[in-house]
Amino acid sequence: DTGVSQNPRHKITKRGQNVTFRCDPISEHNRLYWYRQTLGQGPEFLTYFQNEAQLEKSRLLSDRFSAERPKGSFSTLEIQRTEQGDSAMYLCASSFLFPSPSGTYNEQFFGPGTRLTVL
Amino acid sequence: AQTVTQSQPEMSVQEAETVTLSCTYDTSENNYYLFWYKQPPSRQMILVIRQEAYKQQNATENRFSVNFQKAAKSFSLKISDSQLGDTAMYFCAHAGGTSYGKLTFGQGTILTVHP
Repeated sequence: DTGVSQNPRHKITKRGQNVTFRCDPISEHNRLYWYRQTLGQGPEFLTYFQNEAQLEKSRLLSDRFSAERPKGSFSTLEIQRTEQGDSAMYLCASSFLFPSPSGTYNEQFFGPGTRLTVL
Repeated sequence: AQTVTQSQPEMSVQEAETVTLSCTYDTSENNYYLFWYKQPPSRQMILVIRQEAYKQQNATENRFSVNFQKAAKSFSLKISDSQLGDTAMYFCAHAGGTSYGKLTFGQGTILTVHP
């Protein structure tokens, strides 16, 4: 397997429940990103890791959201006390950082996403 | 802050013809990258083409080419010889030249290629 994988692919939950998603990046990639995509819109950045360090979190990531990448490999995104507004596709992407004349460039490879429906 | 705007929610084209998708952006960075991503229905997003801002030459990848107008902050995608498999949502995206490469996406353009 050479691509980014995400599990589960679909999750239906009731409002107030906790959910956890997993992302397995391409094995040699040191960067991992989470995005959220609502229907008909472009993805919005949530957070990213370089190795195991979480280096930036968007204001979209409320305190009900937490992400980890414990050993710099796979990552989990947990949403506590889900709300109907959390219904979306959650995308994971990974990349390998390398420098270029413009600074640093990293092509991000996306996983298939986890579609969350909160009833 | 970076913003990316795609003003065409939907476009359609006949097979074998040429279509151009528009994108404008705003950025505070001097060094940055621009991308077009394709998201087919129920499938994952893939990179179509990228442009490095310091390069004046427009990027090309087979049937896909861009028109990068840095001063106007415009970045359009031209698809030549359109194929049925080109039917997808297309997103324009920006990434700053700083180290982390966070992508800022536009709202997307749904492209339908008709036989």
